Amino acid sequence: SQTIHQWPATLVQPVGSPLSLECTVEGTSNPNLYWYRQAAGRGLQLLFYSVGIGQISSEVPQNLSASRPQDRQFILSSKKLLLSDSGFYLCAWSALAETNEQFFGPGTRLTVL
Amino acid sequence: GQQLNQSPQSMFIQEGEDVSMNCTSSSIFNTWLWYKQDPGEGPVLLIALYKAGELTSNGRLTAQFGITRKDSFLNISASIPSDVGIYFCAGQRATDSWGKLQFGAGTQVVVTP
Repeated sequence: SQTIHQWPATLVQPVGSPLSLECTVEGTSNPNLYWYRQAAGRGLQLLFYSVGIGQISSEVPQNLSASRPQDRQFILSSKKLLLSDSGFYLCAWSALAETNEQFFGPGTRLTVL
Repeated sequence: GQQLNQSPQSMFIQEGEDVSMNCTSSSIFNTWLWYKQDPGEGPVLLIALYKAGELTSNGRLTAQFGITRKDSFLNISASIPSDVGIYFCAGQRATDSWGKLQFGAGTQVVVTP
């Protein structure tokens, strides 16, 4: 069966510090991968999605970037965090074939102080 | 921004009651998905709908893909305490590519004994 992991679970960072959040998927090959941000427990905003290694599409201009160095690894980064980057970050995957069913990881709670 | 109008925003119900919520849009959708999210966790997929008029059940949950393709409904019958959480609708617009989902703002369900 497929599983999706996110690391770390929680993170407290000062403004201006760098960020690296990791997402890994097991039990599937060539997944589509997604990064979302959720503010205040409501509404998911799509940040990035990837259909393959090195292929990243950005949905919202922001202070963040994403990379996909391996087939089942998706990384969310920032060089300098802003207060507004605080939130709950969710990674999701879906099968490469024509399906819209996305499966979410456990999330990372980021607090920028 | 969010393309889906999800209502109600919150519901306070007694154990044993039925729950209904819906999502509407001015756009036509190819897919409707319903998720449940517990506090501090990632959303879990409950039901996926792919055809207009489709009615699908998952235990006490029933969801329908509206005939106009612009709305979807989720019903929970005979609610129990573990039904507490936030329910999200999501969908792929006909004008978007596979995997790009729009999310509703969520319906918070509180079940009292």
